[in-house]
Amino acid sequence: AAGVIQSPRHLIKEKRETATLKCYPIPRHDTVYWYQQGPGQDPQFLISFYEKMQSDKGSIPDRFSAQQFSDYHSELNMSSLELGDSALYFCASSSTVGNYNEQFFGPGTRLTVL
Amino acid sequence: GEDVEQSLFLSVREGDSSVINCTYTDSSSTYLYWYKQEPGAGLQLLTYIFSNMDMKQDQRLTVLLNKKDKHLSLRIADTQTGDSAIYFCAESIAGGGFKTIFGAGTRLFVKA
Repeated sequence: AAGVIQSPRHLIKEKRETATLKCYPIPRHDTVYWYQQGPGQDPQFLISFYEKMQSDKGSIPDRFSAQQFSDYHSELNMSSLELGDSALYFCASSSTVGNYNEQFFGPGTRLTVL
Repeated sequence: GEDVEQSLFLSVREGDSSVINCTYTDSSSTYLYWYKQEPGAGLQLLTYIFSNMDMKQDQRLTVLLNKKDKHLSLRIADTQTGDSAIYFCAESIAGGGFKTIFGAGTRLFVKA
């Protein structure tokens, strides 16, 4: 079965650079969530989208922005990167048809800021 | 407020049962989850329970929910070395969608 796809899987950037992370939800899933997991930390909710509109916002810095496109894929844009942005970024998707509460997580993108 | 707490470490012998406990604060949680994360890997949804249930069993996994005390537990029967991982308790909070709030994770060590 198709799962959530994230790209790239690994990304190395320098301070003050920008990064774009991509998420492709499970086919027919209309809701996408982004989470950030720092080293040794639990995942923290950043932002979610439903039908291309932002549906909820968590602890996402102002330097980050995200959007969901017409094909339901989502991109997380991160600017002026800081060392503390080094983390594993997970995308999850769910569907409003069926069990909306069941979020399926992607494998994550590991971002390292030098 | 939204807060999920769990103990950080648990060590068991292979073949024993493991019990991982969790407490949460948001009484409006609709679903509660257990995720497994192996080193360097993603999050694997193990099981979840709806807030109006008090128990759910799935093969070696048993989830118990005490809604009055806001206490959730995961019991793994016949624990194997392959069960060594971090186990996250999580709750879904209704907002614009259903964002998931995670606990800090319990690192399970299984000794052969």
